[in-house]
This record gives sequence, C-alpha cells and structure tokens, in this order.
Amino acid sequence: DGGITQSPKYLFRKEGQNVTLSCEQNLNHDAMYWYRQDPGQGLRLIYYSQIVNDFQKGDIAEGYSVSREKKESFPLTVTSAQKNPTAFYLCASSIGGRWEKLFFGSGTQLSVL
Amino acid sequence: GQQLNQSPQSMFIQEGEDVSMNCTSSSIFNTWLWYKQDPGEGPVLLIALYKAGELTSNGRLTAQFGITRKDSFLNISASIPSDVGIYFCAGRGLSFGAGTTVTVRA
Repeated sequence: DGGITQSPKYLFRKEGQNVTLSCEQNLNHDAMYWYRQDPGQGLRLIYYSQIVNDFQKGDIAEGYSVSREKKESFPLTVTSAQKNPTAFYLCASSIGGRWEKLFFGSGTQLSVL
Repeated sequence: GQQLNQSPQSMFIQEGEDVSMNCTSSSIFNTWLWYKQDPGEGPVLLIALYKAGELTSNGRLTAQFGITRKDSFLNISASIPSDVGIYFCAGRGLSFGAGTTVTVRA
C-alpha cells in the first residue's frame, strides 16, 4: 500500500544535540513538506521541496535543515539552534505544487530531555 | 503563510446533532481544503473545493466554498462519537487555520 512513513514516532533530544526525523513516501509524489504543530495551534510550515535537490524555507525554518537527495525521502534535522524544539512534526506530500491537497504521515513527537 | 481564522475554536457535540464550523481569510483563495486530525495522527483530507459557490458532500460532511472566495464552511450532520478530533481548514495547501476541536458532550 502506498503512503508516507515517519519515524520514529517518539524522539527525545538532549540539550545541544541535533536530531533527524525521517520521512519516506512511496506515492511517487513530487512535492514534500514539513510542518510543526504545537498544542492548540495550526500547522506551521518549516520547509518544502517541489523537486529533488531543491527546497524552500517555510514560515519557521530557523533552527531546522532538510535535504532532498531522493524523490522518496525528505529528512528533517532539528539542530541545536532550535531552542524550543518540543512539538509534533508532520511530514506531507502532494502530487503537484503548493496548492495541491496534501497527504500526511502519522507524525513524530519530539521532546527535550 | 496567509492567515486563516477558524471558528469556533472548540465545540462539544451530542450524538445525533448537526454541527457547523467556518474558516475565513483576508485573502482570496482558489482552493479550500478541509482536514480532520485524530489524536497522535496526521490530518486526513476530508473535502476539497475548487470553485466559488461549490457545495460538496462526503458522507455526513458537507463543505461550501464561499462566494467571496474568502471563506468556507463545514457541516457535520447527525454527529457520531468518531467525529471527535480537530478539523482544519487550509487554503492553497500551505496555509492552515488553528483548527476546531470537536469533543463529545458527556
């Protein structure tokens, strides 16, 4: 079955540590996205990529980095520069560009130790 | 991203009730999308709207694309317990509202 897989489901970060969240899709979608969700708030866009080897900053990119070396994969690194990393992170993909409907993974909950 | 305002922020439903929520924007959108998120999961697309005035149903859900293209409405008829969750509106695929949390009234 096609879908988007995020791993791990739960992740803990120590102070000063970089952590990487995995996102893989087998939907053959061109575009992939990373969102951050805080309790009681909407989804805020971190980064998005419309084609391999290209990505753009979203509204809250500071303290995060991404890569898009393969169409299927769009990992997100939460760097030590992100001072408030505790949140629920959602990866999504779509067939077309930013106006197309999104298919989401089941999310990764990141917490700081 | 564009600012989308959803209301109400939260609501309690009783089984069998019809409920409504809406989303407004200061900008014109060409697409309105409604998603539902269950706890600890990613949002799932419920309905997509592409034309001003469009009224689209998905089972007990009905959504409308406002004539002004600055708002959209979602109605749930005959609520059931599994309707609980957070409902998000989105425009242009990248701008999301803060969500309407639906809870079952005891």
